[in-house]
Amino acid sequence: GNSVTQMEGPVTLSEEAFLTINCTYTATGYPSLFWYVQYPGEGLQLLLKATKADDKGSNKGFEATYRKETTSFHLEKGSVQVSDSAVYFCALRQPNSGYALNFGKGTSLLVTP
Amino acid sequence: GAVVSQHPSRVICKSGTSVKIECRSLDFQATTMFWYRQFPKKSLMLMATSNEGSKATYEQGVEKDKFLINHASLTLSTLTVTSAHPEDSSFYICSARDGGESQHFGDGTRLSIL
Repeated sequence: GNSVTQMEGPVTLSEEAFLTINCTYTATGYPSLFWYVQYPGEGLQLLLKATKADDKGSNKGFEATYRKETTSFHLEKGSVQVSDSAVYFCALRQPNSGYALNFGKGTSLLVTP
Repeated sequence: GAVVSQHPSRVICKSGTSVKIECRSLDFQATTMFWYRQFPKKSLMLMATSNEGSKATYEQGVEKDKFLINHASLTLSTLTVTSAHPEDSSFYICSARDGGESQHFGDGTRLSIL
């Protein structure tokens, strides 16, 4: 079946540090891949997505590249800010699955001043 | 942008009562809405897929009679937790598909059963 594996948190970084959150997936075919962010007490917001191999999704300084050869979609940001503190979820959507999403367990990020 | 309103944001009630959670798409029509449950430090688990005008499709292990879903219009889906017990305490999140691939999430409902 489909599954998403994320690195376990919490991840604590100093402001302006480089961020990587690993995400790998198991799926048949060519799923679409997503990163969602959840700020404290709020719902999920789409951060970025990629729909085919070698696509790079980017938003707000975050990037992730769809790597089919390694079945990965790692999230990166060159310089994090305190306001980036949140929980980040990697997710996939299988084609013809009715659009439901399979989520990873989430990675909590805390950025300190 | 597309906005999904979920209400209430937080509810505390006694064991045995039923609780209704609403999910509304405010500026678009949502033929499909999804209900997720999020346990502490866990992922979001899909509970059911709700299609307007038809019965919801529940994921394996989710009790249909416990979690009643109604999708009466293109902008509203409701989840009713019937005869709620402490083990039903959780964070429930809905999302709505806008006709394309994108899902838009509500802010979630924190349900606490005493």
